[in-house]
Amino acid sequence: KQEVTQIPAALSVPEGENLVLNCSFTDSAIYNLQWFRQDPGKGLTSLLLIQSSQREQTSGRLNASLDKSSGRSTLYIAASQPGDSATYLCAVLNSGYSTLTFGKGTMLLVSP
Amino acid sequence: DTGVSQDPRHKITKRGQNVTFRCDPISEHNRLYWYRQTLGQGPEFLTYFQNEAQLEKSRLLSDRFSAERPKGSFSTLEIQRTEQGDSAMYLCASSLSWGSYNEQFFGPGTRLTVL
Repeated sequence: KQEVTQIPAALSVPEGENLVLNCSFTDSAIYNLQWFRQDPGKGLTSLLLIQSSQREQTSGRLNASLDKSSGRSTLYIAASQPGDSATYLCAVLNSGYSTLTFGKGTMLLVSP
Repeated sequence: DTGVSQDPRHKITKRGQNVTFRCDPISEHNRLYWYRQTLGQGPEFLTYFQNEAQLEKSRLLSDRFSAERPKGSFSTLEIQRTEQGDSAMYLCASSLSWGSYNEQFFGPGTRLTVL
């Protein structure tokens, strides 16, 4: 059974810092990995999707990497802003399956 | 493209009552998923449809839960005889079963509170 772990559970940084969020998964037979953002009481916004054959994806100030063999992904946020404050969730889609397995998320607070 | 929509956004009910939620997926998406999220946890899969066929159900989906997607477009999730443990955010997502690497797009969720 796939298990996804996100570290740290919470992170507080001052505005302008670069930061890294970590995601690990136990079964490396994945099809893709998605990073989501969730604001309090809201739904999920897809940030980046990395295919199993890719090593990284970039969107603006966000960069996600994937090391399938070691079961790890990182989300790098450059020059953080208060508007980045949210919970970030990592989810994997196993090969041969259609449903996502999520981590518990990292709650990020960026203070001005 | 209006994205995935869910209705209602919030529902408060008394224990023992039945509730029904609706999800409208992105129009061209043939797959539709239901997930449940409790406080401080990541979403957990409940069930999914491809077109009108319900292809998979989680063991979390007790016999009090039923989902339908009668015409392969919108879907409903009904909970009968609600219990306090059913209080959660119910999230709907949709995707294509081909191309796009099965990227799932989520709606705003329905927050259920059972008193």
